Amino acid sequence: GNSVTQMEGPVTLSEEAFLTINCTYTATGYPSLFWYVQYPGEGLQLLLKATKADDKGSNKGFEATYRKETTSFHLEKGSVQVSDSAVYFCALTFNQAGTALIFGKGTTLSVSS
Amino acid sequence: DTAVSQTPKYLVTQMGNDKSIKCEQNLGHDTMYWYKQDSKKFLKIMFSYNNKELIINETVPNRFSPKSPDKAHLNLHINSLELGDSAVYFCASSRSDTREAFFGQGTRLTVV
Repeated sequence: GNSVTQMEGPVTLSEEAFLTINCTYTATGYPSLFWYVQYPGEGLQLLLKATKADDKGSNKGFEATYRKETTSFHLEKGSVQVSDSAVYFCALTFNQAGTALIFGKGTTLSVSS
Repeated sequence: DTAVSQTPKYLVTQMGNDKSIKCEQNLGHDTMYWYKQDSKKFLKIMFSYNNKELIINETVPNRFSPKSPDKAHLNLHINSLELGDSAVYFCASSRSDTREAFFGQGTRLTVV
């Protein structure tokens, strides 16, 4: 079946530290990959996406590259801020009828000043 | 102007009651979804409609019944609420060709 595995959290960092959140997937076919972010008490917001192998998604200083050979889509940011504290979800889906986003379990990031 | 809006944001109710959650999107999307987020933050798809037609119906108790009166609205009705139904329910919408979903703010349902 199709699934997403994320590194267990919580991840605790100091401001300006480098962030990596690992995400790997299992899929029958070629999915689109996403990172969503959920701030406390809010809904999910799309952070970035990639629709084919070797695509790099980027937004607000975050980046992730679609690696077909390692079935990975790791999220990185060079210098985190306190305002980046949130839960991050990796997800996949397929561009065909009858499909929906399949999420990883989420990784909680806490950044302190 | 909110893209995907759900009401209510909070819902506290007693076991055995029936309740509804409403969702509306103004993005012109043709596909809408209901997701359930449990206490550990895990998100799971419950239902999806495309142009008012049910296309995803995951293993969900039949006490849960979605209804889509038109492409912009997807409501969720829950009968005979149980303690285990306590969760955050998210509505989302997308275009069927991209599947990039936009989420509402969520409805925190607490069954007491």
